Amino acid sequence: EVQLVESGGGLVQPGRSLRLSCVASGFTFDDYAMHWVRQAPGKGLEWVSGINWSSGTIAYGDSVKGRFTISRDNAKNSLYLEMTRLRTDDTALYYCAKDRRIAVSGLFDSWGQGTLVTVSS
Amino acid sequence: QSALTQPASVSGSPGQSIIISCTGSSSDIGNYNLVSWYQQYPDKAPELIIYEVNKRPSGVSDRFSGSRSGNTASLTISWLQAEDEADYYCCAYAGSSTSVLFGGGTKVTVL
Repeated sequence: EVQLVESGGGLVQPGRSLRLSCVASGFTFDDYAMHWVRQAPGKGLEWVSGINWSSGTIAYGDSVKGRFTISRDNAKNSLYLEMTRLRTDDTALYYCAKDRRIAVSGLFDSWGQGTLVTVSS
Repeated sequence: QSALTQPASVSGSPGQSIIISCTGSSSDIGNYNLVSWYQQYPDKAPELIIYEVNKRPSGVSDRFSGSRSGNTASLTISWLQAEDEADYYCCAYAGSSTSVLFGGGTKVTVL
């Protein structure tokens, strides 16, 4: 059974940084691309970032480009999101999601339960 | 990156069929077969119900079907049931520079 467990969320002041983690199990981690998708309270889904199996292809949504960095450690079956210069509109539930493919395709076949990030002074 | 366009809400009676549209452009829906649909219940993570335009993952009811015409993708829910009341999101790959776009979501109400 695929499991994705996110951690690292919390309350942070605007302008500060936070690092999210996602530990994967139940599948061969380095056979698939991985993503972060977020959902602001009461709002829709927003794709944040994706990374292919080898970290050779990385992409970001426009709203986080230049502030967030995605990475993965295949030896630890882990995905990360380094978030800097956080803004109040980054407040959201952040989901870790598994791609169906080895390359970034946007076909998310498994999701974690999410970790909540609240940016507020 | 412009989000894909979905109707905010769609409703139907039990046993009816409903269609949710998702309009994009020739750079995303019209250019790649990488279109997917997700069902989300309140306070739950989304679940994949359609991928690659019209394929169903194992375990998903065959009452859900997907299609595409030009730059618009559609999700059809046949024989609507009370358990289908949820939010539905479309998603499309848009190339290496833009990557992935979501629709704004459609709330389905079973009357």
